[in-house]
Amino acid sequence: SSELTQDPAVSVALGQTVRITCQGDSLRSYYASWYQQKPGQAPVLVVYGKNNRPSGIPDRFSGSSSGNTASLTITGAQAEDEADYYCNSRDSSGNHVFGTGTKVTVL
Amino acid sequence: QVQLVQSGAEVKKPGASVKVSCKASGYTFTSYDISWVRQATGQGLEWMGWMNPSSDNTGYAQNFQGRVTMTRNTSISTAYMELSSLRSEDTAVYYCARVIQLWGGDAFDIWGQGTMVTVSS
Repeated sequence: SSELTQDPAVSVALGQTVRITCQGDSLRSYYASWYQQKPGQAPVLVVYGKNNRPSGIPDRFSGSSSGNTASLTITGAQAEDEADYYCNSRDSSGNHVFGTGTKVTVL
Repeated sequence: QVQLVQSGAEVKKPGASVKVSCKASGYTFTSYDISWVRQATGQGLEWMGWMNPSSDNTGYAQNFQGRVTMTRNTSISTAYMELSSLRSEDTAVYYCARVIQLWGGDAFDIWGQGTMVTVSS
């Protein structure tokens, strides 16, 4: 099965922009979806498909993709955006696979 | 509202089996696949497999082949995940999630609250 690699941790100043990346061969064929997880809570879908947000997700969250890399951008990060973020996609077998996760700290 | 509600925490001995339930409400249960995902304490998310509640078709991650079984009862809109031959490394929070299928990629749009499974002698 393929792997999806993310940076372990990133930090961003309050109100600034941060980009979280996810790399993997399967991303050349499939879009990634992105999940926010706060301590002790279930993951929440924040971006999926080409660049879609579920109802209730602020428009400061956006997604993009190029080659084998998918990105989640938070434009104007807020204190409540501090969380772990995971990407997900399908591998060549059709199975789902999660990224290794990125911890975002808002300074 | 659309939600998935899971069964409560479980404590099992090594070698035993556990069966976790996931009750859907607020939507047509048979219209969306259900996936199961687990997370050990302090670790990342691990996809376990999927089930189509309408056809009863399933697909399992290689790591769980032969140990996991995903089933459903459409009359009560409930999905089940049974994991056998438990070992200490299976101690984790287990989540069910609804799958929305899109051209070019799927996503998990609704998640259950999670079920803690502890494997200990």
